[in-house]
Amino acid sequence: DTAVSQTPKYLVTQMGNDKSIKCEQNLGHDTMYWYKQDSKKFLKIMFSYNNKELIINETVPNRFSPKSPDKAHLNLHINSLELGDSAVYFCASSQDGGGETQYFGPGTRLLVL
Amino acid sequence: QKEVEQDPGPLSVPEGAIVSLNCTYSNSAFQYFMWYRQYSRKGPELLMYTYSSGNKEDGRFTAQVDKSSKYISLFIRDSQPSDSATYLCAIGGRGGFKTIFGAGTRLFVKA
Repeated sequence: DTAVSQTPKYLVTQMGNDKSIKCEQNLGHDTMYWYKQDSKKFLKIMFSYNNKELIINETVPNRFSPKSPDKAHLNLHINSLELGDSAVYFCASSQDGGGETQYFGPGTRLLVL
Repeated sequence: QKEVEQDPGPLSVPEGAIVSLNCTYSNSAFQYFMWYRQYSRKGPELLMYTYSSGNKEDGRFTAQVDKSSKYISLFIRDSQPSDSATYLCAIGGRGGFKTIFGAGTRLFVKA
C-alpha cells in the first residue's frame, strides 16, 4: 500500500506547454511538500503546505502553482514550461512541519524538449 | 556559504569496508539531524534520525552529531553492495524551520 504516490512517473513535453503533477498521501499527515532534484542530485524545497495552507514558498517562478484540495493531496501545475524545468520532482509528507521525518514519493521525471 | 555542505563524491569502497559520510552546517539553530538514502530512480527514504549531539546506532549504521563543531556523520560498518546509493544529510528544526538537504554523496560498494 503506497504511502506517498505521484502521477505521472514520467513526463516528456515541449517547451511552452502547461502540465500538472499530482500527489497523494495516505499517511494522515498534515504537511506536504514539493521538491525539485536537479541532475546533480541536489534536492531543493519548492513549496510546503500544512492543512491545505501554504507555509513555505521558496524563490520559485510564478509559473509554478501548487494546489491542495485537501490535506491528503498536493498538486503542482507548471505553466509555459522551459528547458530548465527538466528535473525530477518529488512530493513528500510529514506529520508536522519543520524537522519531522519526511516520506517521499517515487518522483516524477520531467523532460522539457 | 551553503547552509549544509556535503561532498558529492563519488565514493567507491570494497565490500566489507567501513564508510564514513560527513556534512557540515552553518546555522546552530537547527535541532534535528537526518540521513536519507536514495537508490537510483527512487525517492529518498529516511535512514537515521537524531536530535541534539551524540551517537545513534541502528544495525550497521551509526549517526553522529557534534553540535559544537556543526558536524554530522554517518558510519556504515561491513558495507555491502546493496548499500550503493546516494546518501543525503538533512537538518531541520521546529518553529517553521524547513528541512535543508545536503547535495548527497554517491556511494559505490564493490563486491
